[in-house]
Parts: sequence; C-alpha cells; structure tokens
Amino acid sequence: KAGVTQTPRYLIKTRGQQVTLSCSPISGHRSVSWYQQTPGQGLQFLFEYFSETQRNKGNFPGRFSGRQFSNSRSEMNVSTLELGDSALYLCASSWTSGGAFTGELFFGEGSRLTVL
Amino acid sequence: AQKVTQAQTEISVVEKEDVTLDCVYETRDTTYYLFWYKQPPSGELVFLIRRNSFDEQNEISGRYSWNFQKSTSSFNFTITASQVVDSAVYFCALSEGGFNKFYFGSGTKLNVKP
Repeated sequence: KAGVTQTPRYLIKTRGQQVTLSCSPISGHRSVSWYQQTPGQGLQFLFEYFSETQRNKGNFPGRFSGRQFSNSRSEMNVSTLELGDSALYLCASSWTSGGAFTGELFFGEGSRLTVL
Repeated sequence: AQKVTQAQTEISVVEKEDVTLDCVYETRDTTYYLFWYKQPPSGELVFLIRRNSFDEQNEISGRYSWNFQKSTSSFNFTITASQVVDSAVYFCALSEGGFNKFYFGSGTKLNVKP
C-alpha cells in the first residue's frame, strides 16, 4: 500500500514569492491534515480537509491556504513568503469512518521549504 | 499555554539501558486522545500508540510500554533494553474531542549509543 506522497520534497524560494505544495494521501483516506515543523515552534497544525471541506484550522495567517480535490489529494499554498516560513511542511492522512475520527495519522516525508 | 509538554529535550543512554520519556498534557475536554510518534533521522513521523481518555490501562508492545495516568495528566513512554535503532525524536501528541487537530509536544531526542 503506497504511503502519503508529498511533492516537491525540497524547494527554495525568495521572499514575496508564493509556493504550492502537494499531498497525495493513502488510498481510501479522505482526511488530509497539514503541519508545519520548525526547530523553534515544533510541529504546528495548519489545517485539515475532509471531503473537500476545511474542517479545522490552526493559528496561521491568511497567507496559508489549502484545498482538497475530489480524489482526496490536497494542496497547500503560501503566498507572499517570509523568511519565517522556512520549514518542513508535513502532510498526514487518516481513514475516517463516516467522517468520524479514527485517530491514527499517517505522515508523508514532508516538503522542505527554504525562503531566502 | 502548552497543551503538551515534553520537558526532556534530549536524552542519551547506552544500548540495553531502559529509558522513560515523559509527557504531560493539559485539556479540559473529557474526551481526548493521546499519541506517541517516532521521527527517525529520515524525517517521516511514525505512529506508535493511541490512547483514549477513557482507557487508562497501560500497554506493552515488545520493548515499548506506555503509562497513562489521568490523575497526573501524564502519558509516559518507556523503552526497555534500548537499541541503537531506537535513536530518534519522539513526540507526544494530544487530540481533543475526536478531531484531527493534534497538539504536539516539542519532542524528545533520544540518542542510544552502542
């Protein structure tokens, strides 16, 4: 069974640019969550999508957005990049039973973003 | 306030030693879930265990064991007879009310030396 796939794995951008990261969940998983991991702040929840709808959102500015497609694949976008956006962005998928929480998140390897 | 606190930033042990990783959580919800994840140097977080707030039974899985105590809001993780392959960063996490929004602790880096 293929795991969670994130692309690109590494990318370098400059301040003011925007970036789009992609996540393909495990087949059958309809919930996709995004987390930002930095040395200073640790792992922080960005948002969660289920059936193309954002269900939960973390405390990040509006520059961070996401969406989910009908095939459960998800993208997140960061506009007007700042130096502080440099981080490992992790996507996680989970199986849900009728939309209900089942608990286990399966993580991808992440997309490492460097903002210069 | 931090919802999940892992006070140990880094621990170093010699192979075959036992080691306990501490986790203290804070929540007002009566329904919540606690987790441990392992992040090896490769970077991918790997699920280890889930516990719900209504199940305080301790659990053992091979060399791993978990001690959940609601009275002290702790969910500690013990590795018995540690091995070099156990070297990783271990995260404790909390989910409240059954939502896929996890609060992670800052992680404990475990170094197991041969």
